Amino acid sequence: AQSVSQHNHHVILSEAASLELGCNYSYGGTVNLFWYVQYPGQHLQLLLKYFSGDPLVKGIKGFEAEFIKSKFSFNLRKPSVQWSDTAEYFCAAGPQFVNTGTASKLTFGTGTRLQVTL
Amino acid sequence: NAGVTQTPKFQVLKTGQSMTLQCAQDMNHEYMSWYRQDPGMGLRLIHYSVGAGITDQGEVPNGYNVSRSTTEDFPLRLLSAAPSQTSVYFCASSWDRGADTQYFGPGTRLTVL
Repeated sequence: AQSVSQHNHHVILSEAASLELGCNYSYGGTVNLFWYVQYPGQHLQLLLKYFSGDPLVKGIKGFEAEFIKSKFSFNLRKPSVQWSDTAEYFCAAGPQFVNTGTASKLTFGTGTRLQVTL
Repeated sequence: NAGVTQTPKFQVLKTGQSMTLQCAQDMNHEYMSWYRQDPGMGLRLIHYSVGAGITDQGEVPNGYNVSRSTTEDFPLRLLSAAPSQTSVYFCASSWDRGADTQYFGPGTRLTVL
């Protein structure tokens, strides 16, 4: 069965510190990978996604993630966090659509709560 | 566009009561889904739909029913509420049937006493 693991449950950083959140997935086939963010009181929204091509993916607000196939990982990074990055971050994976007419089901990790202090 | 809307925002039920959580989208998305979010467990897929008239089960479907009579609407029915169904429920939609970007609604916080 497909699974997604996020090992950091709660991360506290000072502003300007660098961020790396881990994400590992378990799936036998080709997957699409996502990072979603949930700011306090707001909807979940997409930060970035990887389908194919360049394994280094850039998203909104200065975030990036690197897909390392050999490690089944898709870690999220940001060189310098801001107080406004305080949020919960979810990694997700879904089998790549292969023209069968069935939807891919996304599996989400348990989330990482990031707290950025001034 | 309003995007994905959900009603109600909050609901308190007694054990055994039934109710319907409403979800609508105005983006003409084919794919719609329901998730529940519980502390320490992330989001888990309850049911999903690839288009009007087509639904399928996700990871945690027991105790929930869905139907998709139109492209826009995807209601989630709790048949006989149980305390274990206390959760935050999110509806999401995406352009096509593949694992593409999903747009989430604001959520419904449900408490079952």
